[in-house]
Amino acid sequence: EVQLVESGGGLVQPGGSLRLSCAASGFTVSSNYMNWVRQAPGKGLEWVSVLYSGGSTSYADSVKGRFTISRDNSKNTLYLQMNSLRAEDTAVYYCARDEPGGNSDAFDIWGQGTMVTVSS
Amino acid sequence: QSVLTQPPSASGTPGQRVTISCSGSSSNIGRKTVNWYQQVSGTAPKLLIYSNNQRPSGVPDRFSGAKSGTSASLAISGLQSEDEADYYCAAWDDSLKGSVFGTGTKVTVL
Repeated sequence: EVQLVESGGGLVQPGGSLRLSCAASGFTVSSNYMNWVRQAPGKGLEWVSVLYSGGSTSYADSVKGRFTISRDNSKNTLYLQMNSLRAEDTAVYYCARDEPGGNSDAFDIWGQGTMVTVSS
Repeated sequence: QSVLTQPPSASGTPGQRVTISCSGSSSNIGRKTVNWYQQVSGTAPKLLIYSNNQRPSGVPDRFSGAKSGTSASLAISGLQSEDEADYYCAAWDDSLKGSVFGTGTKVTVL
């Protein structure tokens, strides 16, 4: 079965760090474009970052310089390292796969999400 | 913060047709394809329409998408109670070099 399972969320103080993980099954992370999308409580969806199969990355301006997307091919897992966290980073974080083989930039597989709360 | 604009709400009775608009610009919808997501309360988003008007396997043909210029729309025909959810449009933005989502539309089945 093709699926994504996130973990690593929790409560962290402002200025702190957290690393989210997204374990994939049924497909190979390194062969696909992989994304992080977040949703603040009661708010809409916000794209955070993408890791291309070739290894290049892109980030939303709101997280650029603070967040780093990466992957471990041996574990078939995507990561999001989040540093210098702020209250406005509080959200459910989803990992999502780009629909393979096309130019649609559509996210066809989503994880269940992991909650990150930044508060003192 | 959202670059794509949607109406905050839409509603209809069972069996009716509901249409949701999505307005963007030349850097996103104007030159890229549009995707639509459905998010039922408390769950992860689900891909509903991709490449403007394509339905993934398993999505009922009651859902249809269209694009014209810098705007797009999602239509739900034969509205059903299980269609009650939040709907988001999305596209790649060449200027921002990232994906952008719409503000979201809450569909209520009366």
